[in-house]
Amino acid sequence: ETGVTQTPRHLVMGMTNKKSLKCEQHLGHNAMYWYKQSAKKPLELMFVYNFKEQTENNSVPSRFSPECPNSSHLFLHLHTLQPEDSALYLCASSRSGTGGSYEQYFGPGTRLTVT
Amino acid sequence: RKEVEQDPGPFNVPEGATVAFNCTYSNSASQSFFWYRQDCRKEPKLLMSVYSSGNEDGRFTAQLNRASQYISLLIRDSKLSDSATYLCVVNSGNEKLTFGTGTRLTIIP
Repeated sequence: ETGVTQTPRHLVMGMTNKKSLKCEQHLGHNAMYWYKQSAKKPLELMFVYNFKEQTENNSVPSRFSPECPNSSHLFLHLHTLQPEDSALYLCASSRSGTGGSYEQYFGPGTRLTVT
Repeated sequence: RKEVEQDPGPFNVPEGATVAFNCTYSNSASQSFFWYRQDCRKEPKLLMSVYSSGNEDGRFTAQLNRASQYISLLIRDSKLSDSATYLCVVNSGNEKLTFGTGTRLTIIP
């Protein structure tokens, strides 16, 4: 399935590095999301973009910086991360910017390890 | 109280059996409900939406009980391929999806 793609699939970075995660959706959706999934915890919503505008920032530390240049692409820029930021980062998209009304479709995720 | 609560399991069920999961939610204003499945080290995938009148998709049946604020998922004639973690997902009324921690199911041959 290639509806929502994410790169890279795996990333190991040091605490002083700067890296970016990329997400692309081919479903014609207008809303995109970043989630974090840590071991034994539920998915945590990080950011929501609706028609390229950020509509939700769920108290995420500033070391995570999202960017949405258009409705099909979403980036998550990472800098000076902490080891506790190691997790699976999932991108999702949906038809509606309301987030809750329509089903969300997920990409395969980027498994991030901060050393 | 958590916004969405699920029994984490694990549920170990013989192949061919019927298994049911419940999920409770705290916000009575919640409007949309979904079941997702997540395989080990993979992304969540939509299994089915849950409609007020209940709905069925093959071997899967979803029910919503607004009065008691829970949703359920019933799997009949379980297959080995049904082994996964099942995530209860609720629109918690603030235009965000809230995910449960998931119920782990293993189908035993």
